[in-house]
Parts: sequence; structure tokens; C-alpha cells
Amino acid sequence: AQSVTQPDIHITVSEGASLELRCNYSYGATPYLFWYVQSPGQGLQLLLKYFSGDTLVQGIKGFEAEFKRSQSSFNLRKPSVHWSDAAEYFCAVGARGSQGNLIFGKGTKLSVKP
Amino acid sequence: GAGVSQSPRYKVAKRGQDVALRCDPISGHVSLFWYQQALGQGPEFLTYFQNEAQLDKSGLPSDRFFAERPEGSVSTLKIQRTQQEDSAVYLCASSQGPLAAYNEQFFGPGTRLTVL
Repeated sequence: AQSVTQPDIHITVSEGASLELRCNYSYGATPYLFWYVQSPGQGLQLLLKYFSGDTLVQGIKGFEAEFKRSQSSFNLRKPSVHWSDAAEYFCAVGARGSQGNLIFGKGTKLSVKP
Repeated sequence: GAGVSQSPRYKVAKRGQDVALRCDPISGHVSLFWYQQALGQGPEFLTYFQNEAQLDKSGLPSDRFFAERPEGSVSTLKIQRTQQEDSAVYLCASSQGPLAAYNEQFFGPGTRLTVL
């Protein structure tokens, strides 16, 4: 069965510091991979996605993620965090050949210190 | 240029009450999903529509949950005889194409259901 693990429940970083949020997935083949961000009272917003090709994916708001098949990982990175990045981040996997429903991790809450 | 909207945004129900949650997807979007997000958890898939056809309802937790999309646009998620464990945020998402795996899903703000 497919699953997504986000090992860190809560991360705090200082504004201007770099960020890496971890995501590991379990799936038999190459999955579709997504990162979403959820701010309080807002819907989930897609940051970036990986379907195939270049394993380093650029997204919105200065985020990037790297797909590493050997590690079954899709970690999200940002070189310099802004206070407005404080939110909850969800990694998700979509099964190839499925209708498209996503399987989400439990999320990582990001706090940003001034 | 409206996104996905959901109503009501908040709903408080007494245990045993029936509730109906509405989703207005982005106009023209073929695919529509419902997810349930319990406190401190990621969203979990409930059901999927392609136009008016409900193609997957494998995530509905019990026969008290029912969803419809009769004209292929607005969708309603109905929960009968609500229980405390139904308390969660219910998210609706839509995407443009029929093969939703290839298309971005746009999420609404959710309906927070609290069952007392």
C-alpha cells in the first residue's frame, strides 16, 4: 500500500535560514509527488510537483524539491526562509493509473523565528 | 476568477443530526474530490467524481456518508446521524482534466464540522 511519511511534526527556523522538510514515500513504482502548503483558514496550495524527468523540481515562492529514487524521498528545500512561510506543509503521492486521489503525509508545521 | 468555494465554513451539529456540506468547484473542472482532514492529520481521500459520475467512493468511512454531483458541477457531501468521530475539516478539490493524476488539484478552504 502506498504511504507517505513526514518524520518532523514541527520545525522552527530563524528567518533567513535555510529549510529542508523531509518526505519519504512507499510505492512500488515511480509515483507522482507533490508538496502542498496550508495556511490557517486557507485551502491547500500546490507548491510543486514531480511526474518525471529532471529530479530537481522548482516551485513557487522559491521552493524546490529533489526526487531521490534510491532513498524513496522527496525533500522540500528553500535557501532563505521568510516569516510568511510559516504554515503547515504536506507531502503527497499520487498513484499512476489511478483516478488521481492523493495520499498525504501527516504534515510538518513550520514556525519562523524573527 | 473564483477558486473552489465551500459552504458552510463552519458547522456545529449535535450527535445524531444530519449535515450537508456543499462544494462549488472551479467552473469547467471535470474532476472533483472530497477529503477528510482530522485534527493534526493530513487529508484523507473520501470520494471522486468525474463529471456527474462517482467513480470511486472507497474512502467513505461508513454508509452514513453519501456524496453526489448530479449536474457535474456543484457537489454535496451528506453525513447522516453524525457521530463525534466525524468531527474534522472536509476539503473539496477540483481539477481540470479527467486524469486527475496529471492535473493540479485546487482545494477549497474546507468546512470545519464539529459534532457535539
